[in-house]
Amino acid sequence: AQRVTQPEKLLSVFKGAPVELKCNYSYSGSPELFWYVQYSRQRLQLLLRHISRESIKGFTADLNKGETSFHLKKPFAQEEDSAMYYCALKSGGSTLGRLYFGRGTQLTVWP
Amino acid sequence: IAGITQAPTSQILAAGRRMTLRCTQDMRHNAMYWYRQDLGLGLRLIHYSNTAGTTGKGEVPDGYSVSRANTDDFPLTLASAVPSQTSVYFCASRRDSPNTGELFFGEGSRLTVL
Repeated sequence: AQRVTQPEKLLSVFKGAPVELKCNYSYSGSPELFWYVQYSRQRLQLLLRHISRESIKGFTADLNKGETSFHLKKPFAQEEDSAMYYCALKSGGSTLGRLYFGRGTQLTVWP
Repeated sequence: IAGITQAPTSQILAAGRRMTLRCTQDMRHNAMYWYRQDLGLGLRLIHYSNTAGTTGKGEVPDGYSVSRANTDDFPLTLASAVPSQTSVYFCASRRDSPNTGELFFGEGSRLTVL
């Protein structure tokens, strides 16, 4: 069965410090992983997906199949990064896949 | 472009009452989803629909029902609300082509059952 684990409910860092939000997954097939973000009073939105291998707002995430991890990293956190972050796993075939979300990590970046 | 619209934004409901949360999208996406968001539990899938006329159960379907009469609308009904259904409910849809897996979310409906 598929499962997404985000071990930290809360994470606080100071502005300019590096930040890493952890995500581990369990899935028997070939995983597709995503990070979603929810800023205060805004709707949930896609931040990045592992297939794209992109950097969005300074964030990157590398899929490590050996460790079954997809940690989200940013070298220098900014106050505007404060938000709820969800790691998600897409299961099933390309047309029927659903997203399974982790429990989320609330990131606070202090000035 | 409105994207996904949910209504109501917020509602307080007495236990035992029936409630329908509305969800409408104008993107012509085939796949739609209902999630509930609870502190410490994250987002959990309630029901989904891969295309108009079909629905399926997610992780936590008990106490909820859905219908998908057309592509645009995907209402979620609580037949007899209970306090444990107090939550924030999110409707989402997924683009068909290209299928990147990205979900588009509504702004949420905050439901309180007393």
